[in-house]
Amino acid sequence: HLRESGPRLVRPSETLSLTCTVSGGSISSSSYYWGWIRQPPGRGLEWIGSLYYTGSAYYNPSLKSRITLSVDTSKNQFSLNLNSVTAADTAVYFCASELHFGAPYYFDYWGQGILVTVSS
Amino acid sequence: DIQLTQSPSSLSASVGDTVTITCRASQYISTHLNWYQQKPGKVPNLVIYGASSLQSGVPSRFSGSGSATDFTLTINSLQPEDFATYYCQQSYSMPWTFGQGTMVDFK
Repeated sequence: HLRESGPRLVRPSETLSLTCTVSGGSISSSSYYWGWIRQPPGRGLEWIGSLYYTGSAYYNPSLKSRITLSVDTSKNQFSLNLNSVTAADTAVYFCASELHFGAPYYFDYWGQGILVTVSS
Repeated sequence: DIQLTQSPSSLSASVGDTVTITCRASQYISTHLNWYQQKPGKVPNLVIYGASSLQSGVPSRFSGSGSATDFTLTINSLQPEDFATYYCQQSYSMPWTFGQGTMVDFK
């Protein structure tokens, strides 16, 4: 199971910070990366980035300059920071497990999602 | 970035119908193509991975096929719980990308 947490309202130009808590399994699994995906209201899915328990991460180039992904293995959590937010960053943010056992890779478990609104 | 184009964007169907959704990639992606189902207000749910492998727990009326750039998701004997939006997603080349979605609703 995965569960997102964090502020649901962020002011423009500030930093959106979310945490995903993993339960029922270890975030240090060698078979998994841990990803973030977002979905603006009424629109499609956009991959944000994914990271490994070692901290190795890869990002969507369209967001890379504003994103930081981090992991805390002691808490079985990983986090997303997105800075300089605008109204365009308003979306439901999902965390998900990305299975890397052979190929292809895919998102097999998702958190419930958290709606984050960027507004003053 | 690899673009995925789904067609149609929406379709209307009845219970018992067979539905086919296509996903075309802008470049070669082998069989690194996954399908997700999302119901309104709910979490995306993996249906098919690797173009044709059925995710555990997903009914066998769902099937996927294709390789290279052209893929299909087929739902045989559509059930009421299948009315949803379906997304394809490629994991061949980063950044991972999704299709724009296909909404399947009641005729």
